Amino acid sequence: NAGVTQTPKFQVLKTGQSMTLQCAQDMNHNSMYWYRQDPGMGLRLIYYSASEGTTDKGEVPNGYNVSRLNKREFSLRLESAAPSQTSVYFCATKGRSGGLTGELFFGEGSRLTVL
Amino acid sequence: ILNVEQSPQSLHVQEGDSTNFTCSFPSSNFYALHWYRWETAKSPEALFVMTLNGDEKKKGRISATLNTKEGYSYLYIKGSQPEDSATYLCASTAYSGAGSYQLTFGKGTKLSVIP
Repeated sequence: NAGVTQTPKFQVLKTGQSMTLQCAQDMNHNSMYWYRQDPGMGLRLIYYSASEGTTDKGEVPNGYNVSRLNKREFSLRLESAAPSQTSVYFCATKGRSGGLTGELFFGEGSRLTVL
Repeated sequence: ILNVEQSPQSLHVQEGDSTNFTCSFPSSNFYALHWYRWETAKSPEALFVMTLNGDEKKKGRISATLNTKEGYSYLYIKGSQPEDSATYLCASTAYSGAGSYQLTFGKGTKLSVIP
């Protein structure tokens, strides 16, 4: 049972390049999230999807786009990468039954460096 | 954006020592307080979620308390073991207006247990 799987785990980009981070879950959860983790800061929400077909901005959405392809997959796209987007990105899911007190299940993270 | 503060930022304890750290959050519009355990090179895993003032939760040697009136939660580890070494994250869910709730993470407390 893989849980939440992110790819790639590591990526180096040049400024201006584009890339997509992929996230897939086999937990049959409705809600999916993308967070970024920067040194000295808490996890910050980029975008989330409460259910298939819906997406909403989080705290730091600028420079990103997302796509909820189906219930299993939620991708994060950087159209024109900037050094400020150097970070570790985490995908997470939460089941419907969890509601506001439900726990998040995280992927293992994707470390992105933009030169 | 909520301000969720954790202290200390890091601490080192000897194996066998008991320790505790603090999470502070705004008490207004509070809904739930979450604790996560994040081991190096792994993904965060949920420890506890608490909602009511005076709540106490326990899992093995780890326990947590909640004071919603003054806006703080304590995490206690009794008889620390090297495998307890991790970053402990707290996150507060609060009402953010227009029918929405926001989950905000603190920066974490990094615990190192010295054998």
